[in-house]
Amino acid sequence: QSVLTQPPSVSGAPGQRVTISCTGSSSNIGTGYSVHWYQHLPGTAPKLLIYGDTNRPSGVPDRFSGSRSGTSASLAITGLQAEDEADYYCQSYDISLSAYVLFGGGTKLTVL
Amino acid sequence: EVQLVQSGGGLVQPGGSLRLSCVASGLTFSSYEMNWVRQAPGKGLEWVSYITSTGSTIYYAASVKGRFTISRDNAKNSLYLQMNSLRAEDTGVYYCARSHDSGGYPLDYWGQGTLVTVSS
Repeated sequence: QSVLTQPPSVSGAPGQRVTISCTGSSSNIGTGYSVHWYQHLPGTAPKLLIYGDTNRPSGVPDRFSGSRSGTSASLAITGLQAEDEADYYCQSYDISLSAYVLFGGGTKLTVL
Repeated sequence: EVQLVQSGGGLVQPGGSLRLSCVASGLTFSSYEMNWVRQAPGKGLEWVSYITSTGSTIYYAASVKGRFTISRDNAKNSLYLQMNSLRAEDTGVYYCARSHDSGGYPLDYWGQGTLVTVSS
């Protein structure tokens, strides 16, 4: 059970919009630590998708956007494409030091 | 271009040891904090360990503390993970990853991953 909670799966048809939630607590997201999002395709290294809650690295399409509120964050993907089918992870930090870096459990996105 | 090239994975018996390496190029390695992250078969990403640019501060996940040791050699642009007393549950793909130095310190560059299999 991850400290950052994500839905195990989401799905959407091509062209649709989906959101993936990431729920934390007062010892991680709630303290103000940034939330980052990664896209992970099988057999490849994870790719940074969103950093600092809302920022896109160079080369990431603006179909991907991030937001946060209180102890939660969300990743939104608009105009779904088949190539978006992947696992998505949120990541933050924790002041308890039991785990300096925290990952969410991951969400499998299926493009129908 | 930033590259992190990993080596050192393989098959090891329970209780055995293995050392992973991660060689960096295209960046001033000595300026960056580094991490190891793993993924067990069928599971999600799990952070393993973190080291500051000078090696002065180190953190471990509770699941590996006391068994794994992270280190770095800035003169060789290299990051290491010494894994001792390995268990079946340590099986998975291990990635090295750089902590970006701003923007909330995301893990912005990752190695290609190396498979560690702990089995008799």
